[in-house]
Amino acid sequence: GAGVSQSPRYKVAKRGQDVALRCDPISGHVSLFWYQQALGQGPEFLTYFQNEAQLDKSGLPSDRFFAERPEGSVSTLKIQRTQQEDSAVYLCASSLGSSGNQETQYFGPGTRLLVL
Amino acid sequence: AQSVTQPDIHITVSEGASLELRCNYSYGATPYLFWYVQSPGQGLQLLLKYFSGDTLVQGIKGFEAEFKRSQSTFNLRKPSVHWSDAAEYFCAVKGYSTLTFGKGTMLLVSP
Repeated sequence: GAGVSQSPRYKVAKRGQDVALRCDPISGHVSLFWYQQALGQGPEFLTYFQNEAQLDKSGLPSDRFFAERPEGSVSTLKIQRTQQEDSAVYLCASSLGSSGNQETQYFGPGTRLLVL
Repeated sequence: AQSVTQPDIHITVSEGASLELRCNYSYGATPYLFWYVQSPGQGLQLLLKYFSGDTLVQGIKGFEAEFKRSQSTFNLRKPSVHWSDAAEYFCAVKGYSTLTFGKGTMLLVSP
């Protein structure tokens, strides 16, 4: 079946520009996660949704970062007034549920953001 | 808070040789542990996972990992490496709701 998809795959933004990154999770997956992966590093947690509720946003680096999942399916990560340090790969993952084996996270291909 | 350490930044293995990638974790309770692989420009693919039960876990592509609670390790192994295994490998531990990843180990395969 279809996996997690993300768009765009690549985004070049000028410093100060706003960007929006989209994630389509696996159909029926309740939980959705956003991670940021800087060059040469492992992914780092940004935020987590269960259905439409944002249960944890402790990893968002500043108030310029905002995520939503209004209908409990597609999610958008928005970055306002982008800075060069925002350049990274943004990964989305989804999981079927929140207990036991259902917690396995499946990742999309990521959006590579470059801020000039 | 949980943490993961992957001591080796790069490892080079000859094709056909055996492989072991190290992972040390820190977590207060019984951990859920994962290994993911990332090829250049790609997302993360799940290789295997440990939730409970048998401490030797089998995964895809001929990989296995062994959970050792006393040593806080979850090392990844493969008996015979193929050139297509060249990629970056990430170990992760699950906390309350999220995954904490190590910095990754880049595997290079020489002919």
